[in-house]
Amino acid sequence: SQQGEEDPQALSIQEGENATMNCSYKTSINNLQWYRQNSGRGLVHLILIRSNEREKHSGRLRVTLDTSKKSSSLLITASRAADTASYFCATVNQAGTALIFGKGTTLSVSS
Amino acid sequence: EAQVTQNPRYLITVTGKKLTVTCSQNMNHEYMSWYRQDPGLGLRQIYYSMNVEVTDKGDVPEGYKVSRKEKRNFPLILESPSPNQTSLYFCASSLSRQFSGANVLTFGAGSRLTVL
Repeated sequence: SQQGEEDPQALSIQEGENATMNCSYKTSINNLQWYRQNSGRGLVHLILIRSNEREKHSGRLRVTLDTSKKSSSLLITASRAADTASYFCATVNQAGTALIFGKGTTLSVSS
Repeated sequence: EAQVTQNPRYLITVTGKKLTVTCSQNMNHEYMSWYRQDPGLGLRQIYYSMNVEVTDKGDVPEGYKVSRKEKRNFPLILESPSPNQTSLYFCASSLSRQFSGANVLTFGAGSRLTVL
């Protein structure tokens, strides 16, 4: 039961460029989270944005949330090779028992 | 260090040979969950537990069992593994039993299982 869907599926950029990933979801939410996964490793929480927030920053990360469009975006500024990973948005399922993840955006940053 | 520890990290087994993937967290978290990750299908929840002795099915529970006898441990049991259970498995935990979108999940490093 997919709630969030990321776009694009894959993104290749050069070091120093900005990377933008988008997430669309289907039902009303209270919060939306973004996670990163390095190849074959566990997911790591990046940032949480609440439904009453429009934008949130954490270091080189900027997340926006548009509840009217049911969408969120993750911007990574001044990308580094170490940012190469898959990025997932996540929201709670209807039952409140699980985080539901999109299929992710795979970001490749080349030096 | 606060972490979720899974073992084994890699396992190749044969159809029908019972196996257990262990999961342990040292953060006194109430909520624990198992996910499997497959190409094109993303992460799907197998089972979850809100507290000791309280477990429930996720989206893909068939062929799996879990138990939560202690707060820190949440093993995943494959009684009779089949090739379609070849996957990358993740255990995750969260502080609160009142699971909401504000709960941040801490993931283990993953267990890659191959069933021949």
